[in-house]
Amino acid sequence: QKEVEQDPGPLSVPEGAIVSLNCTYSNSAFQYFMWYRQYSRKGPELLMYTYSSGNKEDGRFTAQVDKSSKYISLFIRDSQPSDSATYLCAMSNPGGTSYGKLTFGQGTILTVHP
Amino acid sequence: ETGVTQSPTHLIKTRGQQVTLRCSSQSGHNTVSWYQQALGQGPQFIFQYYREEENGRGNFPPRFSGLQFPNYSSELNVNALELDDSALYLCASSPWPGNYEQYFGPGTRLTVT
Repeated sequence: QKEVEQDPGPLSVPEGAIVSLNCTYSNSAFQYFMWYRQYSRKGPELLMYTYSSGNKEDGRFTAQVDKSSKYISLFIRDSQPSDSATYLCAMSNPGGTSYGKLTFGQGTILTVHP
Repeated sequence: ETGVTQSPTHLIKTRGQQVTLRCSSQSGHNTVSWYQQALGQGPQFIFQYYREEENGRGNFPPRFSGLQFPNYSSELNVNALELDDSALYLCASSPWPGNYEQYFGPGTRLTVT
């Protein structure tokens, strides 16, 4: 079993839709949770990060963490064609031996069509 | 753009050869991490360098090695290349070890034939 599971999609939605992206994880030591966006042929770009459980909002993006369920989500409101990319969740355990290591999900391919 | 640069952009090598990939970290960042991203997969942590020493390693064999230089730039070396080494190799810099805010470069696409 992978430490982080993410539905690879692909996910196709019309412009203006609300998008929900999710990851589950098995390692209860994860404390920091990140979402990256990766456009084709580019490196991942950090979108948002949260520490422990709770919500965090940034413009059209909302990140949620539920540590009791080992489940994190990213919501995109009013989705735009420019949001079309692969979305990667990532997690880190600051107390581990490789505390600089990010553990990624497989990535979800999102397409927003006009 | 993150300010992290990598070279070369693309590389084609033959099985059994050796390859060196290079990374320049973002200004003010002293920590560099390397990741391997196979097609359709998320990045996998190879190792991290801080103060010119390896500071944590993922599940990769010893033929994957690295260096960090006094200016914080870094190299990833892979010996005895295998077909499965074909991937996008990503470098990420951060202001200190353990910082979850890692900023990625564009990557080097390695193809092993």
